Amino acid sequence: EPEVTQTPSHQVTQMGQEVILRCVPISNHLYFYWYRQILGQKVEFLVSFYNNEISEKSEIFDDQFSVERPDGSNFTLKIRSTKLEDSAMYFCASRGLAGSYNEQFFGPGTRLTVL
Amino acid sequence: GESVGLHLPTLSVQEGDNSIINCAYSNSASDYFIWYKQESGKGPQFIIDIRSNMDKRQGQRVTVLLNKTVKHLSLQIAATQPGDSAVYFCAEAASNDYKLSFGAGTTVTVRA
Repeated sequence: EPEVTQTPSHQVTQMGQEVILRCVPISNHLYFYWYRQILGQKVEFLVSFYNNEISEKSEIFDDQFSVERPDGSNFTLKIRSTKLEDSAMYFCASRGLAGSYNEQFFGPGTRLTVL
Repeated sequence: GESVGLHLPTLSVQEGDNSIINCAYSNSASDYFIWYKQESGKGPQFIIDIRSNMDKRQGQRVTVLLNKTVKHLSLQIAATQPGDSAVYFCAEAASNDYKLSFGAGTTVTVRA
C-alpha cells in the first residue's frame, strides 16, 4: 500500500540553525501539506502546495518557513532560523485527485527538537 | 474564531462495549468532515469521512453521524477492542481548499 514517508524521524538542532524536513508524498498525488503538532496539542495546518506553488498558508507559516518540491518526488519544509517554540512534530500529508472529496494521507512525522 | 472541538478530552471504555466520541464544529463553510486516529508516535490515520450532503456513513465497525443543524459530528466504534486505544481527532475542511482544521482530540482507553 502506498504511503507518505518522512525523514528524519527525529531532528535535534540548536536555536538559530536552519533545518530541512523531508517528505516523499504518494507518487500520483497532486496536493501536498505540512502540519505541525506541539506536544499534547492538536494538529495545526501550516501550508498547502499545489502545481508548484503555495495554495494557502497559516499565520504560523511566517517568512522563516519555506516549502519546495525540488524534484518529482520530494517535498521539503525549511525553517531558516529555528526558535525554541518550533519544537514540535511536523507531519507531511498528500492528497490525490483534484476537485473531489478524498482523504489526506499523513506521514509518520518528524520530531523537531530545538535546544 | 471558528474552530473544531471535542466535547470530552478522555474516554474510558470496557472492551467489547460501544464507544461514542463527539465533536462540535463552528465553521459553516465546512462541507467535509473526517475522523483520524493517532497512536503514540505516529501520524494521524484516516478512519472515515463524510460529506455535508450526508448525515450518516458506515465503515467497518465505525459509524460517523453528522448533524448540520447543531454542527455536531460523532464517531461510533462498535465492539471496542484494545487496538482502538488512541487519540481520536475530528477535522473539517471546505471543498475550496481542503486544508484540515483539527479538533483538540479525545484519548480513548480500552479496559480489558
